Amino acid sequence: ETGVTQTPRHLVMGMTNKKSLKCEQHLGHNAMYWYKQSAKKPLELMFVYNFKEQTENNSVPSRFSPECPNSSHLFLHLHTLQPEDSALYLCASSPGGGGKGSNEQFFGPGTRLTVL
Amino acid sequence: AQSVTQLGSHVSVSEGALVLLRCNYSSSVPPYLFWYVQYPNQGLQLLLKYTSAATLVKGINGFEAEFKKSETSFHLTKPSAHMSDAAEYFCAVRSREMDSNYQLIWGAGTKLIIKP
Repeated sequence: ETGVTQTPRHLVMGMTNKKSLKCEQHLGHNAMYWYKQSAKKPLELMFVYNFKEQTENNSVPSRFSPECPNSSHLFLHLHTLQPEDSALYLCASSPGGGGKGSNEQFFGPGTRLTVL
Repeated sequence: AQSVTQLGSHVSVSEGALVLLRCNYSSSVPPYLFWYVQYPNQGLQLLLKYTSAATLVKGINGFEAEFKKSETSFHLTKPSAHMSDAAEYFCAVRSREMDSNYQLIWGAGTKLIIKP
């Protein structure tokens, strides 16, 4: 595998379900990100991790719980979601580390989530 | 605070015509600048980036962008549109002033429509 992979690609869940999204990067990067992309809305940054430490939580509801066990893996645990949480969830990685440089982000294909 | 403005949520051009997608940023110091493309049901792919080495930046798929400090712009162009260019295009910036802040500020996106 190369680049950034995400599983599953599609997920349908009820409001009482618990599910997890998985992201894995094969680029040797130190920073990983979760974004939410809803129709007709700008890209929303949810969480940022750098060297496995969470450095940003953009006022995301607690029904979304991230986990970063190492620099290559990122999870998003979902619990008691609402229909308005239906969206494309994108994972990205970048060199990070707090150093200088453009630090461009590389994206996975996304998980299309539908909450019924 | 930094911001990015993409003029036009939708741009329609005929196949073979010039493509021009506009991006303006607000920053006292020229930032790092990026253009990403997103095809339907896919993640974002880096098209090109400006890091200060050259004001005219060439990217993938025949696209290029010119950094103009006086106009605080980084417009994306392609001389001749192809049907396969139909996608959504996002402009993003990263500040040089805060090297430890590696997050990107995103524009709202421009959907490019190619007419046969």
